[in-house]
Amino acid sequence: NAGVTQTPKFQVLKTGQSMTLQCAQDMNHEYMSWYRQDPGMGLRLIHYSVGAGITDQGEVPNGYNVSRSTTEDFPLRLLSAAPSQTSVYFCASSLSPPSGTSWDTQYFGPGTRLTVL
Amino acid sequence: DAKTTQPNSMESNEEEPVHLPCNHSTISGTDYIHWYRQLPSQGPEYVIHGLTSNVNNRMASLAIAEDRKSSTLILHRATLRDAAVYYCILRGPRAGGTSYGKLTFGQGTILTVHP
Repeated sequence: NAGVTQTPKFQVLKTGQSMTLQCAQDMNHEYMSWYRQDPGMGLRLIHYSVGAGITDQGEVPNGYNVSRSTTEDFPLRLLSAAPSQTSVYFCASSLSPPSGTSWDTQYFGPGTRLTVL
Repeated sequence: DAKTTQPNSMESNEEEPVHLPCNHSTISGTDYIHWYRQLPSQGPEYVIHGLTSNVNNRMASLAIAEDRKSSTLILHRATLRDAAVYYCILRGPRAGGTSYGKLTFGQGTILTVHP
């Protein structure tokens, strides 16, 4: 298993440009999510999905869109990049939405470092 | 979501035990306590979780206070590879619907391990 993969690893955008961060997992996980991490901060949830065709907003959804057409993929779209979106973005997945059961471990990807000029 | 409080940083020497505390005085009766850690330049990774009883796995132990208002992650013999940011997180039980599934990370504790 490749686990959770993210592309690209690094990206530089100009203000106003749009782009899509890719996330894929090969573990047949139902739950997938996107976080952003700013310097010296913890992770903040952007959007999440509990299954194909179902998405919901997290803590900081503004400026981002998501869709979940397949179980494997959960792309994050920046509609019009702003300098405030400069951050490291992590995608995560788990077999089911986080709960207390032993099989709800979230697996994180390696991250995408995005700079918006 | 209930809030957790952790010290900003802790230090340890290699081969010594490390006790990382977490306060969660507003925890509800059904919240589970999860710990994740983030190594430098990597995504977070799961460490351990528990509800009421103390838990052990190959990475660490989790000691939960009897009133569940605090918990302690125990690394029995710290290594240089354990230097990371450790996050204590509370999660409610699986309840169905799309309104759950949010894992809330705080600032975490930066653990420094000295050779």
